[in-house]
Amino acid sequence: QKEVEQDPGPLSVPEGAIVSLNCTYSNSAFQYFMWYRQYSRKGPELLMYTYSSGNKEDGRFTAQVDKSSKYISLFIRDSQPSDSATYLCAMSYQNSGGSNYKLTFGKGTLLTVNP
Amino acid sequence: KAGVTQTPRYLIKTRGQQVTLSCSPISGHRSVSWYQQTPGQGLQFLFEYFSETQRNKGNFPGRFSGRQFSNSRSEMNVSTLELGDSALYLCASRGGSTDTQYFGPGTRLTVL
Repeated sequence: QKEVEQDPGPLSVPEGAIVSLNCTYSNSAFQYFMWYRQYSRKGPELLMYTYSSGNKEDGRFTAQVDKSSKYISLFIRDSQPSDSATYLCAMSYQNSGGSNYKLTFGKGTLLTVNP
Repeated sequence: KAGVTQTPRYLIKTRGQQVTLSCSPISGHRSVSWYQQTPGQGLQFLFEYFSETQRNKGNFPGRFSGRQFSNSRSEMNVSTLELGDSALYLCASRGGSTDTQYFGPGTRLTVL
């Protein structure tokens, strides 16, 4: 079983739709949860960073973490064509040195928002 | 503040050759990590450097190596290239209060 599972999609939605992206994980040591957005031929760009269960909102984006179910989600409200990209979930934990050093990624979900 | 920069952006090599990739982190960041991204395996951790020392290493063969300089710039070297090494190589720098990683644009390596 892979440590982080993410449905690769592709996911295609009309402009204005609410998008839900999800990841599950198996390692209960994960403490930090991130969502990155990656446009074609670019590096991943950090969207959201959380370290506890619950919701975190930033503009049109909401990240949700449920540690009891080992499940994280990213919601995009009022989706725009410019949101078309691959969305990657990532997780990490503190090692013995106290550093949050290694990110374990899901495979990414390719999202297309159609005008 | 300037972001993470990587050079070169594109590289074509043949099997058996070696290659060196360069990464300049965000000013003030002392940690640099390298990742390999392929369609089949996704993003995988290669290694991390902090203050010129390799602190952590992923599950890659010894052909993959790196180093970090006193100005925090880092290089990654791959020797005896194989076709399967074709990938996007991403560098990420870490620092600041949130301890999050910020990625560069990557170097796309093609091995023929």
